[in-house]
Amino acid sequence: EVQLVESGGGLAKPGGSLRLSCVGSGFTFRSAWMTWVRQAPGKGLEWVGRIKSKGDGGTADYAAPVKGRFTISRDDSKNTLYLQMDSLKTEDTAVYYCVRRRSGWFDYWGQGAQVTVSP
Amino acid sequence: EIVMTQSPATLSVSPGETATLSCRASQSVSSNLAWYQQKPGQGPRLFIYDTSTRASGIPARFNGTGSATEFTLTISSLQSEDFAVYHCQQYDSWPPTFGGGTKVEIQ
Repeated sequence: EVQLVESGGGLAKPGGSLRLSCVGSGFTFRSAWMTWVRQAPGKGLEWVGRIKSKGDGGTADYAAPVKGRFTISRDDSKNTLYLQMDSLKTEDTAVYYCVRRRSGWFDYWGQGAQVTVSP
Repeated sequence: EIVMTQSPATLSVSPGETATLSCRASQSVSSNLAWYQQKPGQGPRLFIYDTSTRASGIPARFNGTGSATEFTLTISSLQSEDFAVYHCQQYDSWPPTFGGGTKVEIQ
């Protein structure tokens, strides 16, 4: 059974930092392209960024609102995906989901981690 | 980026009836469209990809149709477990984008 479990959410002040982790199991993590998607309160889903498998180059791409502030990385030895969030803004408040990408669509999602940015 | 618009925002339906959800793209996405179901407190679950292919374990009462800019998710004979929020997503153009969601509630 595929499982994705996020951790590391919490409360931060504007300008602060947080790091989310996501442990994957039940699939070959090192071969997967992994994604972060967020959902602000009462809003729809928003793609945050994606990291390719190392076999496909291991590069990461980001949505415009977070580019230059967020960094996605992975440690395949630990089956873990990371989202480093710096220079946080109040508009980054959301539930963040760790997601496995499959040919464009997203086939497995975690339960989500709450991130709240407030003065 | 491509803007996805879902309508209606809320759909009130009685159990056993049919629900029809709409998703419109601001430009053609070919058939590169997926649908997800989300229940309160849970992450979304993939239901349909490539416009009409049901994901593993999804019952046949869920039917996706459409192409280019107009897409529909039809849920026949609504069951109690089908009341949830449904999101559409295009993956034809980068970045992938989602609609605002349609909440299917019990009438």
